[in-house]
Amino acid sequence: GAVVSQHPSRVICKSGTSVKIECRSLDFQATTMFWYRQFPKQSLMLMATSNEGSKATYEQGVEKDKFLINHASLTLSTLTVTSAHPEDSSFYICSATDGGAPYSNQPQHFGDGTRLSIL
Amino acid sequence: EDKVVQSPLSLVVHEGDTVTLNCSYEVTNFRSLLWYKQEKKAPTFLFMLTSSGIEKKSGRLSSILDKKELSSILNITATQTGDSAIYLCAANSPNAGNMLTFGGGTRLMVKP
Repeated sequence: GAVVSQHPSRVICKSGTSVKIECRSLDFQATTMFWYRQFPKQSLMLMATSNEGSKATYEQGVEKDKFLINHASLTLSTLTVTSAHPEDSSFYICSATDGGAPYSNQPQHFGDGTRLSIL
Repeated sequence: EDKVVQSPLSLVVHEGDTVTLNCSYEVTNFRSLLWYKQEKKAPTFLFMLTSSGIEKKSGRLSSILDKKELSSILNITATQTGDSAIYLCAANSPNAGNMLTFGGGTRLMVKP
């Protein structure tokens, strides 16, 4: 159980393109999902907390208008990188917690990540 | 500001060796400490530790939490080349919907 699916796994596109990444919890409902960014040889950096039915909470330094998050249902959150530029190239990972309630003490499970390359 | 620090940053061992990875944390409203293994893709869950002094074990891997020292260790015995990965620890807080604060990771390489 507790499978998180992330799609696509890899994107290569031109500068100025907007890219949408989907994160789905396949066998559980997730009121809260998290979006991370990871640079080569570095740890995960939390970008934002995605809340079902409400606005996402962004970490300091993350541009809300650049990284649009939508959490329209209990099993789907999307991250859209708008007008992507080469510096947005990175590995983006989502995670979700089983257990339903946002404060449940359950481990986060991660999607397989999306490697975004902007030319 | 919440902080998680891992050591060593990297480690090279030979198959059969035993390794100990360290994690220390400073987190407000700490609830649990999690260990993940990351190979080429996203992290896979290893352990979640909530209580001090209770060892969790899975095969050759084991982990324990010391809340007094605000730290945790991850042990891997009889290492294999397949253990080569980045090991991440993260502190969980019920703030902001079950947020995780990650350490910088320990890169383990096991040579044949």
